[in-house]
Amino acid sequence: EVQLVETGGGLIQPGGSLRLSCSASGFIVGSKYMSWVRQAPGKGLEWVSVLYTGRTTYYTDSVKGRFTISRDDSKNTLYLQMDSLRVEDTATYYCARSNDYSNFFDSWGQGTLVTVSS
Amino acid sequence: SYELTQAPSVSVSPGQTAIITCSGDKLGDKHVCWYQQKPGQSPVVVIYASNKRPSGIPERFSGSNFGNTATLTISGSQAVDEADYYCQAWDKNAYIFGGGTRLAVL
Repeated sequence: EVQLVETGGGLIQPGGSLRLSCSASGFIVGSKYMSWVRQAPGKGLEWVSVLYTGRTTYYTDSVKGRFTISRDDSKNTLYLQMDSLRVEDTATYYCARSNDYSNFFDSWGQGTLVTVSS
Repeated sequence: SYELTQAPSVSVSPGQTAIITCSGDKLGDKHVCWYQQKPGQSPVVVIYASNKRPSGIPERFSGSNFGNTATLTISGSQAVDEADYYCQAWDKNAYIFGGGTRLAVL
């Protein structure tokens, strides 16, 4: 059974850093395109970043230069390093796996809440 | 950058057909998927590749995608279908979400 478990969220001051982790089971993280998707309180879904199997990365414009997506194949875990955090980064962050057949997310974690506030 | 547009809300009576649309430039040339999200839960895909239904999703959910508009149709809507629905496409190495449509079944 595929499972994604995010950890690392919390309350952080503006300008601070946080690293989110997504531990995967039931499949190999390095064999799939893996993304982070966020959802601000009461708002819609927003894709944040993707890590391809070959380690190529892409980011939405608002986080470029501040966020870094990576993975540790030995731990089967995906990460999101978030630096220079802003109030507008406050959201629940989901780890999501892309499907091989079509570019959609076939598995999601339960999400971890990041609150950026002074 | 590519954008997808959805109506903020749709309401339907139980047993009736709910139609939720998603528009974008030449969207019919892309694969579209639809997610259902209930309060406090993670999204779940109900339609992928514009018109395919994952295993475990009821047959009352169907999708189409032509021209500039993708459509999610829920035939015989039930109270359990009340949720937020998001369309999503892929464009130039980015996953694009629509703003979401809240479906009320009342």
